[in-house]
Amino acid sequence: DAMVIQNPRYQVTQFGKPVTLSCSQTLNHNVMYWYQQKSSQAPKLLFHYYDKDFNNEADTPDNFQSRRPNTSFCFLDIRSPGLGDAAMYLCATSRVKGPRGGLMNTEAFFGQGTRLTVV
Amino acid sequence: RKEVEQDPGPFNVPEGATVAFNCTYSNSASQSFFWYRQDCRKEPKLLMSVYSSGNEDGRFTAQLNRASQYISLLIRDSKLSDSATYLCVVSEYSSASKIIFGSGTRLSIRP
Repeated sequence: DAMVIQNPRYQVTQFGKPVTLSCSQTLNHNVMYWYQQKSSQAPKLLFHYYDKDFNNEADTPDNFQSRRPNTSFCFLDIRSPGLGDAAMYLCATSRVKGPRGGLMNTEAFFGQGTRLTVV
Repeated sequence: RKEVEQDPGPFNVPEGATVAFNCTYSNSASQSFFWYRQDCRKEPKLLMSVYSSGNEDGRFTAQLNRASQYISLLIRDSKLSDSATYLCVVSEYSSASKIIFGSGTRLSIRP
C-alpha cells in the first residue's frame, strides 16, 4: 500500500490560475518535503516542514507556498503558475530520530509525484 | 558551490561491467547519506543507505569518506535493469534536518 500519496497524479492549470497539490502520508513522519523536478534535472528542494516548523529554501519563489494542517497532510500552493513552473512535483517524508538536531534523519519516502502542466 | 555534486554522466557501459559513481558534499555537518535510483518519469526510490563502515547489498557497494566528504557507489556485474539515474542524497544534521539531492548520474547498460 502506498505510504505517501499525492493527488492528483496529473494536473493541468491555466497560466496565472492558482493551483493546489496535495500530499498525505500514513507513516507518521515528522518531516515533509516538497521538491520540484524538471526534465533531466535532480529534484530541487522548495521547502519542508519539520513538525510544524516551516523551512523555506532561499531561492524558492514567493509564488510557491505550503501548508501543513496536521502531521498527515501537506499542500503545495502555486499562486500564479507560469509556464516555467511546469514540472513534476514530488512530496517526500522522513523521520528525524532523537531530539531536534539529534541523531539521524531516516531516508526520504516519496509519493508518485504530480505532473503539472501550465497552459 | 553546489551542496551535493555528482558527475552527470551519462555512463554507457556493456552488460556485466563494473561501474562507479562518485559524489561530494559541501556541508561537513551532514550526517545521513543515501543513494537513490530514479527511473524515467518515476519517483526516486531508495537504493541503499551509506555508512561510514561501508555497506554492501548484493552487487552494490557504497562507501563514505567523511574526511574527504565523499560518497561512492559501485555496481558490479551490471544488468540491463540497472539502467536508470542514480542520485546521491545527503541529509543535514541540524535543526532543520533537510534532505538534498545531487544532480544525478545517468547510467545506460547496453547488451
